[in-house]
Amino acid sequence: DAKTTQPNSMESNEEEPVHLPCNHSTISGTDYIHWYRQLPSQGPEYVIHGLTSNVNNRMASLAIAEDRKSSTLILHRATLRDAAVYYCILRDANSGNTPLVFGKGTRLSVIA
Amino acid sequence: DAGVIQSPRHEVTEMGQEVTLRCKPISGHDYLFWYRQTMMRGLELLIYFNNNVPIDDSGMPEDRFSAKMPNASFSTLKIQPSEPRDSAVYFCASSVKPGSYGYTFGSGTRLTVV
Repeated sequence: DAKTTQPNSMESNEEEPVHLPCNHSTISGTDYIHWYRQLPSQGPEYVIHGLTSNVNNRMASLAIAEDRKSSTLILHRATLRDAAVYYCILRDANSGNTPLVFGKGTRLSVIA
Repeated sequence: DAGVIQSPRHEVTEMGQEVTLRCKPISGHDYLFWYRQTMMRGLELLIYFNNNVPIDDSGMPEDRFSAKMPNASFSTLKIQPSEPRDSAVYFCASSVKPGSYGYTFGSGTRLTVV
């Protein structure tokens, strides 16, 4: 899988939007961009994924740059429960059976 | 659906003892994965199964580790003998197919070997 780069940590105030960046300059045309998050003392959970167009779901939005070399996970109103490690992962649509490979992710702290 | 169920949640054992971690995947999920998480190395894939058959065990650290999936609803990860460096959180996950967004993780087993 292609490599991603994320900041080690970020901080946000409660009820404010949070923009979590991810750089993936070596992304290929068939790579999907996946985001998972890991809350304290829990396993990772799926957040969102996309290929080229921006995506929205009940948890977050994913904004993908036009050249696809970067993307941003957007939490519209951060709550204390959003404090977690967020992982940006590239998945080749043709990868077949290759499992998810996690990097270090971004540790998000939310301040009340 | 109760999700992926792991047991025990916590395990403390003495060095040299055998440890068995258990996982029940989501019904209908054909793939099962075992990951290990430590502060130093993050989340590492140990082994994964497809339709109860081990596909890739290259992440298993050494012969002391073994994993089985006797049927579609149960898998075990065994460490024999255990060592202090095996202390970590072990996660089980299941999916309809790898690479899809349908990965569901269990809550993990925190293993401490003293």
